[in-house]
Amino acid sequence: DAKTTQPPSMDCAEGRAANLPCNHSTISGNEYVYWYRQIHSQGPQYIIHGLKNNETNEMASLIITEDRKSSTLILPHATLRDTAVYYCIVRVANAGGTSYGKLTFGQGTILTVHP
Amino acid sequence: DAGVIQSPRHEVTEMGQEVTLRCKPISGHDYLFWYRQTMMRGLELLIYFNNNVPIDDSGMPEDRFSAKMPNASFSTLKIQPSEPRDSAVYFCASSLAGWGTGELFFGEGSRLTVL
Repeated sequence: DAKTTQPPSMDCAEGRAANLPCNHSTISGNEYVYWYRQIHSQGPQYIIHGLKNNETNEMASLIITEDRKSSTLILPHATLRDTAVYYCIVRVANAGGTSYGKLTFGQGTILTVHP
Repeated sequence: DAGVIQSPRHEVTEMGQEVTLRCKPISGHDYLFWYRQTMMRGLELLIYFNNNVPIDDSGMPEDRFSAKMPNASFSTLKIQPSEPRDSAVYFCASSLAGWGTGELFFGEGSRLTVL
Protein backbone atom coordinates (compact mmCIF):
# COMPACT_ATOMS: atom_id res chain seq x y z
CA ASP A 1 0.00 0.00 0.00
CA ALA A 2 1.14 3.54 -0.75
CA LYS A 3 2.54 5.62 2.06
CA THR A 4 0.86 8.77 3.28
CA THR A 5 2.22 11.96 4.82
CA GLN A 6 0.21 14.02 7.29
CA PRO A 7 1.11 16.96 9.52
CA PRO A 8 1.68 15.74 13.09
CA SER A 9 -0.74 18.20 14.64
CA MET A 10 -3.31 20.88 13.87
CA ASP A 11 -5.55 23.22 15.82
CA CYS A 12 -9.04 24.38 15.02
CA ALA A 13 -11.52 26.68 16.71
CA GLU A 14 -14.85 25.20 17.68
CA GLY A 15 -17.50 25.87 15.05
CA ARG A 16 -14.99 26.45 12.28
CA ALA A 17 -14.12 24.06 9.50
CA ALA A 18 -11.19 21.74 10.08
CA ASN A 19 -9.23 20.93 6.94
CA LEU A 20 -6.83 18.02 7.35
CA PRO A 21 -4.39 17.45 4.48
CA CYS A 22 -2.84 14.20 3.36
CA ASN A 23 -0.18 13.57 0.77
CA HIS A 24 -0.17 10.24 -1.07
CA SER A 25 1.94 11.00 -4.10
CA THR A 26 2.71 7.34 -4.86
CA ILE A 27 -0.90 6.21 -4.89
CA SER A 28 -1.82 3.68 -7.55
CA GLY A 29 -4.86 3.76 -9.74
CA ASN A 30 -6.50 0.93 -7.83
CA GLU A 31 -6.02 2.37 -4.36
CA TYR A 32 -8.70 4.06 -2.30
CA VAL A 33 -8.13 6.86 0.20
CA TYR A 34 -9.59 6.10 3.63
CA TRP A 35 -9.89 8.30 6.68
CA TYR A 36 -10.26 7.03 10.23
CA ARG A 37 -10.07 8.80 13.54
CA GLN A 38 -9.24 7.68 17.04
CA ILE A 39 -10.60 9.48 20.04
CA HIS A 40 -8.54 9.01 23.16
CA SER A 41 -8.65 5.47 24.57
CA GLN A 42 -11.12 4.25 21.95
CA GLY A 43 -10.70 2.07 18.88
CA PRO A 44 -10.33 3.80 15.51
CA GLN A 45 -13.54 4.81 13.78
CA TYR A 46 -14.22 4.94 10.06
CA ILE A 47 -15.02 8.40 8.67
CA ILE A 48 -15.10 8.32 4.89
CA HIS A 49 -13.34 6.97 1.83
CA GLY A 50 -13.03 7.71 -1.89
CA LEU A 51 -11.32 6.71 -5.09
CA LYS A 52 -11.19 9.80 -7.27
CA ASN A 53 -14.43 11.71 -6.83
CA ASN A 54 -15.15 13.99 -3.92
CA GLU A 55 -17.28 12.36 -1.27
CA THR A 56 -19.53 13.62 1.49
CA ASN A 57 -21.33 11.91 4.31
CA GLU A 58 -22.86 12.92 7.62
CA MET A 59 -19.47 13.16 9.28
CA ALA A 60 -17.20 14.83 6.75
CA SER A 61 -16.25 15.66 3.19
CA LEU A 62 -13.31 14.24 1.29
CA ILE A 63 -11.69 16.25 -1.47
CA ILE A 64 -9.26 14.35 -3.69
CA THR A 65 -7.10 16.26 -6.16
CA GLU A 66 -7.44 15.46 -9.83
CA ASP A 67 -4.05 13.75 -9.95
CA ARG A 68 -5.01 11.86 -6.76
CA LYS A 69 -1.69 12.65 -5.14
CA SER A 70 -3.26 14.42 -2.19
CA SER A 71 -6.54 14.78 -0.39
CA THR A 72 -8.20 16.88 2.29
CA LEU A 73 -10.64 15.77 4.95
CA ILE A 74 -13.05 18.51 5.89
CA LEU A 75 -15.01 18.62 9.14
CA PRO A 76 -17.39 21.48 8.31
CA HIS A 77 -18.23 22.60 11.85
CA ALA A 78 -15.71 21.18 14.29
CA THR A 79 -16.79 20.51 17.86
CA LEU A 80 -14.76 19.70 20.96
CA ARG A 81 -15.71 16.06 20.48
CA ASP A 82 -13.83 16.03 17.17
CA THR A 83 -10.53 16.27 19.04
CA ALA A 84 -8.79 13.07 17.98
CA VAL A 85 -6.02 11.54 15.93
CA TYR A 86 -6.97 11.44 12.24
CA TYR A 87 -5.45 8.80 10.00
CA CYS A 88 -5.24 8.97 6.23
CA ILE A 89 -4.73 5.53 4.68
CA VAL A 90 -4.49 4.27 1.14
CA ARG A 91 -5.78 0.80 0.50
CA VAL A 92 -5.87 -1.46 -2.50
CA ALA A 93 -9.22 -2.04 -4.14
CA ASN A 94 -10.10 -5.67 -4.52
CA ALA A 95 -11.83 -7.45 -7.34
CA GLY A 96 -15.32 -6.14 -7.83
CA GLY A 97 -14.34 -2.56 -7.08
CA THR A 98 -14.65 -2.64 -3.35
CA SER A 99 -11.85 -2.50 -0.84
CA TYR A 100 -11.34 -4.82 2.05
CA GLY A 101 -8.55 -6.56 3.85
CA LYS A 102 -5.90 -5.01 6.02
CA LEU A 103 -5.45 -1.34 6.88
CA THR A 104 -1.98 0.00 7.62
CA PHE A 105 -2.02 3.01 9.93
CA GLY A 106 0.60 5.75 9.95
CA GLN A 107 1.17 8.32 12.69
CA GLY A 108 -1.82 10.47 11.78
CA THR A 109 -2.63 14.09 12.64
CA ILE A 110 -3.57 15.09 16.16
CA LEU A 111 -6.44 17.54 15.75
CA THR A 112 -7.19 19.71 18.76
CA VAL A 113 -10.45 21.65 18.69
CA HIS A 114 -10.44 24.49 21.18
CA PRO A 115 -13.28 26.67 22.46
CA ASP B 1 -25.53 -5.66 16.99
CA ALA B 2 -23.32 -5.13 20.01
CA GLY B 3 -20.24 -4.44 17.93
CA VAL B 4 -16.86 -6.09 18.34
CA ILE B 5 -16.48 -7.36 21.88
CA GLN B 6 -13.09 -7.75 23.50
CA SER B 7 -12.12 -9.16 26.86
CA PRO B 8 -10.60 -8.48 29.23
CA ARG B 9 -10.65 -4.68 29.03
CA HIS B 10 -7.68 -4.47 31.37
CA GLU B 11 -5.10 -7.05 32.30
CA VAL B 12 -2.17 -6.69 34.65
CA THR B 13 0.19 -9.61 34.85
CA GLU B 14 3.74 -10.44 35.76
CA MET B 15 6.53 -11.17 33.36
CA GLY B 16 6.57 -14.79 32.28
CA GLN B 17 2.85 -15.37 32.68
CA GLU B 18 0.58 -16.44 29.86
CA VAL B 19 -1.91 -13.87 28.61
CA THR B 20 -4.98 -14.64 26.52
CA LEU B 21 -6.99 -11.89 24.87
CA ARG B 22 -10.37 -12.66 23.39
CA CYS B 23 -12.46 -11.20 20.61
CA LYS B 24 -15.98 -11.71 19.33
CA PRO B 25 -16.41 -10.11 15.90
CA ILE B 26 -19.61 -8.67 14.53
CA SER B 27 -21.90 -11.46 13.39
CA GLY B 28 -21.58 -12.14 9.66
CA HIS B 29 -18.22 -10.43 9.24
CA ASP B 30 -15.65 -12.54 7.46
CA TYR B 31 -12.47 -10.63 8.25
CA LEU B 32 -10.90 -10.34 11.69
CA PHE B 33 -7.86 -8.26 12.58
CA TRP B 34 -5.61 -7.98 15.62
CA TYR B 35 -3.76 -4.68 16.13
CA ARG B 36 -1.41 -3.50 18.85
CA GLN B 37 -0.97 0.13 19.84
CA THR B 38 1.90 1.68 21.74
CA MET B 39 3.10 5.24 22.04
CA MET B 40 6.36 4.42 20.32
CA ARG B 41 5.09 2.35 17.39
CA GLY B 42 1.51 3.50 16.94
CA LEU B 43 -1.08 1.07 15.57
CA GLU B 44 0.50 -2.10 14.20
CA LEU B 45 -1.31 -4.89 12.42
CA LEU B 46 -0.34 -8.19 14.00
CA ILE B 47 -2.41 -10.71 12.06
CA TYR B 48 -5.64 -10.99 10.17
CA PHE B 49 -8.01 -13.78 9.25
CA ASN B 50 -10.44 -14.31 6.41
CA ASN B 51 -13.15 -16.91 6.93
CA ASN B 52 -11.27 -18.12 10.02
CA VAL B 53 -8.05 -18.73 8.07
CA PRO B 54 -4.94 -16.67 8.89
CA ILE B 55 -4.02 -14.63 5.83
CA ASP B 56 -1.10 -12.52 6.97
CA ASP B 57 0.76 -12.97 10.25
CA SER B 58 3.86 -11.05 9.24
CA GLY B 59 3.20 -8.51 11.97
CA MET B 60 3.35 -11.02 14.79
CA PRO B 61 6.46 -9.95 16.69
CA GLU B 62 7.84 -13.34 17.61
CA ASP B 63 7.01 -16.91 18.50
CA ARG B 64 5.72 -15.89 21.88
CA PHE B 65 2.64 -14.55 20.11
CA SER B 66 -0.02 -16.80 18.62
CA ALA B 67 -3.54 -16.21 17.36
CA LYS B 68 -6.36 -18.57 16.59
CA MET B 69 -9.83 -18.33 15.17
CA PRO B 70 -11.58 -21.64 15.84
CA ASN B 71 -14.89 -20.39 14.47
CA ALA B 72 -16.49 -17.35 12.91
CA SER B 73 -17.52 -15.86 16.21
CA PHE B 74 -14.39 -16.11 18.32
CA SER B 75 -10.69 -15.39 18.19
CA THR B 76 -7.85 -15.40 20.71
CA LEU B 77 -4.46 -13.74 20.86
CA LYS B 78 -2.08 -15.46 23.22
CA ILE B 79 1.27 -14.29 24.57
CA GLN B 80 3.40 -16.89 26.29
CA PRO B 81 5.57 -15.99 28.07
CA SER B 82 4.70 -12.32 28.43
CA GLU B 83 7.37 -9.60 28.76
CA PRO B 84 7.16 -5.96 29.88
CA ARG B 85 7.66 -4.78 26.30
CA ASP B 86 4.36 -6.46 25.39
CA SER B 87 2.53 -3.81 27.40
CA ALA B 88 0.16 -2.13 24.97
CA VAL B 89 -3.47 -1.76 23.98
CA TYR B 90 -4.57 -4.65 21.77
CA PHE B 91 -7.45 -3.99 19.40
CA CYS B 92 -9.56 -6.47 17.55
CA ALA B 93 -11.51 -5.40 14.47
CA SER B 94 -13.82 -7.09 12.00
CA SER B 95 -15.09 -6.25 8.54
CA LEU B 96 -17.19 -7.62 5.74
CA ALA B 97 -15.89 -8.19 2.23
CA GLY B 98 -17.95 -7.44 -0.78
CA TRP B 99 -19.80 -4.32 -1.74
CA GLY B 100 -19.81 -1.56 0.80
CA THR B 101 -17.37 0.71 2.52
CA GLY B 102 -15.04 -2.08 3.58
CA GLU B 103 -14.69 -0.34 6.90
CA LEU B 104 -13.14 -2.01 9.88
CA PHE B 105 -15.16 -1.98 13.09
CA PHE B 106 -12.92 -1.87 16.13
CA GLY B 107 -13.52 -3.10 19.62
CA GLU B 108 -12.74 -1.01 22.68
CA GLY B 109 -9.38 -2.67 23.15
CA SER B 110 -7.65 -4.70 25.84
CA ARG B 111 -5.07 -2.77 27.82
CA LEU B 112 -2.25 -5.10 28.85
CA THR B 113 0.34 -4.23 31.47
CA VAL B 114 3.17 -6.67 32.05
CA LEU B 115 5.17 -5.96 35.21
